[in-house]
Amino acid sequence: QQPVQSPQAVILREGEDAVINCSSSKALYSVHWYRQKHGEAPVFLMILLKGGEQKGHEKISASFNEKKQQSSLYLTASQLSYSGTYFCGSGSNYKLTFGKGTLLTVNP
Amino acid sequence: SQTIHQWPATLVQPVGSPLSLECTVEGTSNPNLYWYRQAAGRGLQLLFYSVGIGQISSEVPQNLSASRPQDRQFILSSKKLLLSDSGFYLCAWSVAGPAGQSGANVLTFGAGSRLTVL
Repeated sequence: QQPVQSPQAVILREGEDAVINCSSSKALYSVHWYRQKHGEAPVFLMILLKGGEQKGHEKISASFNEKKQQSSLYLTASQLSYSGTYFCGSGSNYKLTFGKGTLLTVNP
Repeated sequence: SQTIHQWPATLVQPVGSPLSLECTVEGTSNPNLYWYRQAAGRGLQLLFYSVGIGQISSEVPQNLSASRPQDRQFILSSKKLLLSDSGFYLCAWSVAGPAGQSGANVLTFGAGSRLTVL
């Protein structure tokens, strides 16, 4: 079952904050977050394994609400380098199923 | 350290021609291997994954096939390409094992192969 991401796209000015949401109709055992720059391969950001777990990576952090089957990615004080498409992935045994992605554009 | 190589980087093929994309991983043993496809402006679609030599699991029925002839080699093939096969193909690997209900392991992607079918 493919996770659902929202919003599909967001445009920010440098320094602004953004939240990307990921939800699933099936139980989420783990949530992965990846970022893909245009024309490049996705790069791993973080993984959340426990309900309620929160992690941070520079000014990018994420939370995982296992009961609500949701995860959110928080980008604070965005930088130009944050531009790209963000994917959440739902892990199950050997497979990782990705959402359709959220295109984040950070303008000067 | 582990590295993943994928080739060719780009290719343009006529409809009905065969396809072979190759992926190799260095610096690890018995990795889980994956093929994903990304159509223009779209998400990442899991095509195949393998947890060992000769073991292939298919996620989407189509005219593509995958093989794993060696521990760290993963090949994506087609006998006859369709227009709809165009896209960005990504090979990825993760540490061996299913990680149980905790979910899949972290994926490291290759640089990708951009296929255009005309």
